[in-house]
Amino acid sequence: GEDVEQSLFLSVREGDSSVINCTYTDSSSTYLYWYKQEPGAGLQLLTYIFSNMDMKQDQRLTVLLNKKDKHLSLRIADTQTGDSAIYFCAETAGKLIFGQGTTLQVKP
Amino acid sequence: SAVISQKPSRDICQRGTSLTIQCQVDSQVTMMFWYRQQPGQSLTLIATANQGSEATYESGFVIDKFPISRPNLTFSTLTVSNMSPEDSSIYLCSVEDPTSGGSSYNEQFFGPGTRLTVL
Repeated sequence: GEDVEQSLFLSVREGDSSVINCTYTDSSSTYLYWYKQEPGAGLQLLTYIFSNMDMKQDQRLTVLLNKKDKHLSLRIADTQTGDSAIYFCAETAGKLIFGQGTTLQVKP
Repeated sequence: SAVISQKPSRDICQRGTSLTIQCQVDSQVTMMFWYRQQPGQSLTLIATANQGSEATYESGFVIDKFPISRPNLTFSTLTVSNMSPEDSSIYLCSVEDPTSGGSSYNEQFFGPGTRLTVL
């Protein structure tokens, strides 16, 4: 069945870049998403990428997609303490399939 | 976009009881979704609720345990029945972008979640 895998934890220093990685299994996914969940809050869509693209940049966020390897990454430039949250990647396989989430810890 | 509220935001319940979670959206939407997020886990889709029809449940979830109502286009409830400690989770309501017009890209908006603890 469909499966989305992420590393569980990432710690960076404020000002550094963060890279969160994700692998997925459904090659027919049209869109792939990155969601952010802050403590006590619901999920917020950060960005998405269409499956025929290999890169998308949105301010401090860069999404890279390697469709051959079914690998998706989210790079956050100049990471701030406010970026501390859980980041979920998700693929569409008729419905949204989420990874386990990567907890990003930003140290001052 | 859509703004979603959920009630209650959290609750602590006794084993064997039931809890009904409410989800209110500020605009009319066709599809509403209920997810469960167990501690330290990802989100798992429980069911899809369409107005005027029975909810569609995912594998591993049944109507007797998670009855859902969808009386109109802005409201839905999820009941967690005969609760056990294994039901302790965050339950999230979600809707598709009401302005998407049926495009293949369809952003989902999430409510803040209901944190349930069963003792």
